[in-house]
Amino acid sequence: GQQLNQSPQSMFIQEGEDVSMNCTSSSIFNTWLWYKQEPGEGPVLLIALYKAGELTSNGRLTAQFGITRKDSFLNISASIPSDVGIYFCAGPLRETSYDKVIFGPGTSLSVIP
Amino acid sequence: GAVVSQHPSRVICKSGTSVKIECRSLDFQATTMFWYRQFPKKSLMLMATSNEGSKATYEQGVEKDKFLINHASLTLSTLTVTSAHPEDSSFYICSARVRPNQPQHFGDGTRLSIL
Repeated sequence: GQQLNQSPQSMFIQEGEDVSMNCTSSSIFNTWLWYKQEPGEGPVLLIALYKAGELTSNGRLTAQFGITRKDSFLNISASIPSDVGIYFCAGPLRETSYDKVIFGPGTSLSVIP
Repeated sequence: GAVVSQHPSRVICKSGTSVKIECRSLDFQATTMFWYRQFPKKSLMLMATSNEGSKATYEQGVEKDKFLINHASLTLSTLTVTSAHPEDSSFYICSARVRPNQPQHFGDGTRLSIL
């Protein structure tokens, strides 16, 4: 079945550094979603990407939809302690519905003040 | 907008107890809600899709009789873990979407601990 892979699995960075993580798939996705989950809470949608090549920003976060439609990248600039959490990529299995969404294994981010 | 509320946030109970978890869409109507299970340091696994006014659709390997889902109104879905045992301990999260072509928004999850 379809699977999403994320790398790195975990990151420990100094406050102020930029962060880059990616998500890959063996199958094509028509939408990429990036969520952040903090300990003990549900995931929060950060960015949604809908077109190959699309580059979208949300504050210090920037995500890109890879042109092959098999990958996506999330960058965080000038990290701060509240960026700590697990970042999941996700994609719907059907083009017109978000009913079946699969999630990657996540990238755990730790920020050292 | 698109706020999903989940209650309770934490439950600790004895083995054999049945536990009910509520998921509400606060500022929109949700004909469809979703229930996920998450193990520590793992990703989210879809358990079932809850449909208002009809039966839930369960994913392969999820026991229907163990995890009862009721979606009685356009803003409320409930998940009941029946006769819970320690192996049912987990983080359960619900989600809903405003429209079929829009991403899901998640509740804050329920930490279930069965002693």
